[in-house]
Amino acid sequence: QVQLVQSGAEVKKPGSSVKVSCKASGGTFRNYAITWVRQAPGQGLEWMGRIIPLSGTINDAQKFQGRLRITADESTSTAFMELSSLRSEDTGVYYCTSGKDTYYQYSYMDVWGKGTTVTVSS
Amino acid sequence: EIVLTQSPGTLSLSPGERITLSCRASQSVSSYLAWYQQNLGQAPRLLIYGASSRATGIPDRFSGSGSGTDFTLTISRLEPEDSAVYYCQQYGSSPTFGQGTKVEIK
Repeated sequence: QVQLVQSGAEVKKPGSSVKVSCKASGGTFRNYAITWVRQAPGQGLEWMGRIIPLSGTINDAQKFQGRLRITADESTSTAFMELSSLRSEDTGVYYCTSGKDTYYQYSYMDVWGKGTTVTVSS
Repeated sequence: EIVLTQSPGTLSLSPGERITLSCRASQSVSSYLAWYQQNLGQAPRLLIYGASSRATGIPDRFSGSGSGTDFTLTISRLEPEDSAVYYCQQYGSSPTFGQGTKVEIK
């Protein structure tokens, strides 16, 4: 089964950008979708967006449009989530997950990374 | 956006009891419904997908049911390690999560 290893914690200033990586191992990278989910402190889970390396499909939640960039590097089996124009409300834990999404159908998330804590503070 | 409403917000029960958690969707998601368990400080873990299929390695005391707009997660015999927050998630369209139900063990 695929395993996901995320990059380390980040502390950022308001207005800056953060880029979190998610390296997959133990599976065929392009056969899975990588989805990003975030969790503000003490709050619930929020779907941010996904990428399907096989088709190059990228979808993201409307609330992030314009600030969120999701990419993937098949040569290193690594996905990236970059969030720009950071504000304090973006503080939280960012998870990458994998699933069997297709272009036409979203999927559940059966493998999760351990999460990357992003703190936005002046 | 499909809104998922979970109830109750918090449950406090004793080991061995049976519990049922509810998840209601604002519109039909067919059977595209998953349940996750999240322990404090950890990543969520997939329990149920397709409304009623258990994920690999999940004990059979966990079961899911429902379709359309009304879903339930049942834990037949509560164990101390089941103390966690449980989330439902729909993936029939752009995914959304419920707000979670916290299960406490007395």
